[in-house]
Amino acid sequence: AQKVTQAQTEISVVEKEDVTLDCVYETRDTTYYLFWYKQPPSGELVFLIRRNSFDEQNEISGRYSWNFQKSTSSFNFTITASQVVDSAVYFCALRVQYAGTYKYIFGTGTRLKVLA
Amino acid sequence: NAGVTQTPKFRVLKTGQSMTLLCAQDMNHEYMYWYRQDPGMGLRLIHYSVGEGTTAKGEVPDGYNVSRLKKQNFLLGLESAAPSQTSVYFCASSRTSGGPRLYEQYFGPGTRLTVT
Repeated sequence: AQKVTQAQTEISVVEKEDVTLDCVYETRDTTYYLFWYKQPPSGELVFLIRRNSFDEQNEISGRYSWNFQKSTSSFNFTITASQVVDSAVYFCALRVQYAGTYKYIFGTGTRLKVLA
Repeated sequence: NAGVTQTPKFRVLKTGQSMTLLCAQDMNHEYMYWYRQDPGMGLRLIHYSVGEGTTAKGEVPDGYNVSRLKKQNFLLGLESAAPSQTSVYFCASSRTSGGPRLYEQYFGPGTRLTVT
């Protein structure tokens, strides 16, 4: 099976706390790409990061960091010192081979609420 | 450069009515996609297109048809709307060769459709 699991449906934290959003994936592909998207209350989908299966380096972008571990098929996302503006639904996605081309499989999302 | 645009933004239909959702992109992307987003279910792929004149079924194609007569446009049609098609519809496009944002999906703002 090829799928993405975001087991955390909703997380609430107080501003300035650190929070980690989990993403576990399954794929039979040896080459694949992983993504994180943010969907704020306004509804649009905002790209955050892309990672290919050959690059296991962790990445940091400001308060955001991503931990990719092929051994556990996980691509977790950490927000350091959370802010109210981080409140959104976050989706993890996987690009895999499909019917001679590719498709993207999305997790069900994690709703993050950051309380002031 | 408008990115990906969707028309209309909101629509209310009665059961049995038909309508067409228009997606347009100005980035010369080959791939285009239609997703629906329902609460707790993430984004599910309805149909996709790998180039002008080609379309293919995704995971939930029943009740929908698509056409891609021009590279920049991807139309999603509902021939006989049903309440189960009440959802938020997102169009996306992606590039498949070259460039720093390879395989990233660019999303439109979404269309909120209610079928009564």
